[in-house]
Amino acid sequence: AQRVTQPEKLLSVFKGAPVELKCNYSYSGSPELFWYVQYSRQRLQLLLRHISRESIKGFTADLNKGETSFHLKKPFAQEEDSAMYYCALSGAGGYNKLIFGAGTRLAVHP
Amino acid sequence: DTGVSQDPRHKITKRGQNVTFRCDPISEHNRLYWYRQTLGQGPEFLTYFQNEAQLEKSRLLSDRFSAERPKGSFSTLEIQRTEQGDSAMYLCASPPSFRPGDEETQYFGPGTRLLVL
Repeated sequence: AQRVTQPEKLLSVFKGAPVELKCNYSYSGSPELFWYVQYSRQRLQLLLRHISRESIKGFTADLNKGETSFHLKKPFAQEEDSAMYYCALSGAGGYNKLIFGAGTRLAVHP
Repeated sequence: DTGVSQDPRHKITKRGQNVTFRCDPISEHNRLYWYRQTLGQGPEFLTYFQNEAQLEKSRLLSDRFSAERPKGSFSTLEIQRTEQGDSAMYLCASPPSFRPGDEETQYFGPGTRLLVL
């Protein structure tokens, strides 16, 4: 079964500290992975997708097929990074529907 | 603003009542998705439309749920005989454009928060 696991419900760090939000997936085919972010009182927004291999707001994520992981990283966290982060998998069953993890809340303290 | 709009933003209803939500996708894109998100969980897929055809439905979509997209533009999601367990955020999503690569991406609307009393 296709599944996305985000093992941490909450990640609490201080401003300037490195951040790594973990995401593991199970999928037998060639997945497409995404990170979405939801700031307080805002809609779910696309942060980045693995196929683009880009850095958005200082965040990067590398798809590791051997470890079936797509961890989100940022070297120096900012207070404005505080939000809910969701990892999502596409490609399961066609039509590009997304399978989401339960999310990790990132709290960056001053 | 990503362009996906949903109406209403909030809905409070009594158990047993029917409710209907509307979604307008970006630039009337031919792909449209509905998801449901309950507290503490990520969004869960409900159904997918390509133009007016409903091509996939999740097992979560019980027979009390019906979705339509009559002209291939906006979509409606109706819940009949609502139950307290239907309380959730209902999200609509569509790709941002028809450009290659964008069709695999989904942008979300603000959601309709349903509370069933």
